[in-house]
Amino acid sequence: QKEVEQDPGPLSVPEGAIVSLNCTYSNSAFQYFMWYRQYSRKGPELLMYTYSSGNKEDGRFTAQVDKSSKYISLFIRDSQPSDSATYLCAMSPKDAGGTSYGKLTFGQGTILTVHP
Amino acid sequence: EAQVTQNPRYLITVTGKKLTVTCSQNMNHEYMSWYRQDPGLGLRQIYYSMNVEVTDKGDVPEGYKVSRKEKRNFPLILESPSPNQTSLYFCASSSSLARRRFFGPGTRLTVL
Repeated sequence: QKEVEQDPGPLSVPEGAIVSLNCTYSNSAFQYFMWYRQYSRKGPELLMYTYSSGNKEDGRFTAQVDKSSKYISLFIRDSQPSDSATYLCAMSPKDAGGTSYGKLTFGQGTILTVHP
Repeated sequence: EAQVTQNPRYLITVTGKKLTVTCSQNMNHEYMSWYRQDPGLGLRQIYYSMNVEVTDKGDVPEGYKVSRKEKRNFPLILESPSPNQTSLYFCASSSSLARRRFFGPGTRLTVL
């Protein structure tokens, strides 16, 4: 079983829709949770960053972490064609020592297309 | 402009022909790492480096080598490439304890 599971999609939605992207994980040591966005032929770039449980909002994007269920979500409101990309969740334990130093474990990525 | 650069961006080679993919960052980051990205498998870490002359294996290090002689550079070496190393490779950097990675644009490698 993979440490982080993410539905690869693809997911296709009309412009203006609310998009929900999700990841589940098995490692209870994960404390930092991130969402990266990757446009075609580009490297991933950080979109949202949260520590421990709770919600974080940034414009049209909301990240939620439910540590009790080992489940994280990214919501995109009023989705736009420019949101079309691959979205990767990533997680990291708090401790930075040894071989787990700042290590990120990524999900497989969800391909999202927002059509006009 | 703060950035991570990789060269080459695209490479087609043959089995067994040694190659090097360069990576350079201009943000004075201590931490650098290499990932490969394959369909259905996401990003997997190959090697990482916490600082100059300090490197360690990631999850999929077999068939790869790295070196970190300067803080800004972290080349990835394939001594004898094989077709199963055909992949999209990303270099990334971050400051010492930060989880935010700055990624390069990627190198698409095909080994025939």
